[in-house]
Amino acid sequence: NAGVTQTPKFQVLKTGQSMTLQCAQDMNHEYMSWYRQDPGMGLRLIHYSVGAGITDQGEVPNGYNVSRSTTEDFPLRLLSAAPSQTSVYFCASSYSYRGDNEQFFGPGTRLTVL
Amino acid sequence: TQLLEQSPQFLSIQEGENLTVYCNSSSVFSSLQWYRQEPGEGPVLLVTVVTGGEVKKLKRLTFQFGDARKDSSLHITAAQPGDTGLYLCAAPYSSASKIIFGSGTRLSIRP
Repeated sequence: NAGVTQTPKFQVLKTGQSMTLQCAQDMNHEYMSWYRQDPGMGLRLIHYSVGAGITDQGEVPNGYNVSRSTTEDFPLRLLSAAPSQTSVYFCASSYSYRGDNEQFFGPGTRLTVL
Repeated sequence: TQLLEQSPQFLSIQEGENLTVYCNSSSVFSSLQWYRQEPGEGPVLLVTVVTGGEVKKLKRLTFQFGDARKDSSLHITAAQPGDTGLYLCAAPYSSASKIIFGSGTRLSIRP
């Protein structure tokens, strides 16, 4: 089991560019989520999905899109990158949507927007 | 404003000392989790508490969920350098599937 994988590990973008952060899990988990982590801010929920074809907004969804066409994959798209989106992005998955399930996190993608 | 307030934000203590960190909210939660994150990695689950007043122990770590299910504490006995890391609390908010995190307590243990 690879668990939760994220690519790329590092990325530098210019303001206005778009890109997709990839996330995949091989544990057949229903629930997947994206967080961003900024210094002193903990983790903030961007978008989440309770199953294939179902997504919803988290605390800070503006500027990001997601889709969940398969159970395994949950890509995060930045539509027009801004310096405020400089952050470390974590993808996570858990067996189900229940709040008391363990979330398994990927290693993160460090994104810098110039 | 963070829904889950963690304190202190930073804590640096000597090896062997005891410490307590807190996670507080004005909201009631059905469950609460504690995660630990090491530099360059994603958070890893330590414990889940689901019942008001519940106490769980994990070796030298003791976790307590408040009676009213609005707050939680993590107590570490005889801290060791391996306890160093960022401690995060998390809880479902608004719906069971929206999991939010506190801002974390960064713990440093000096040998």
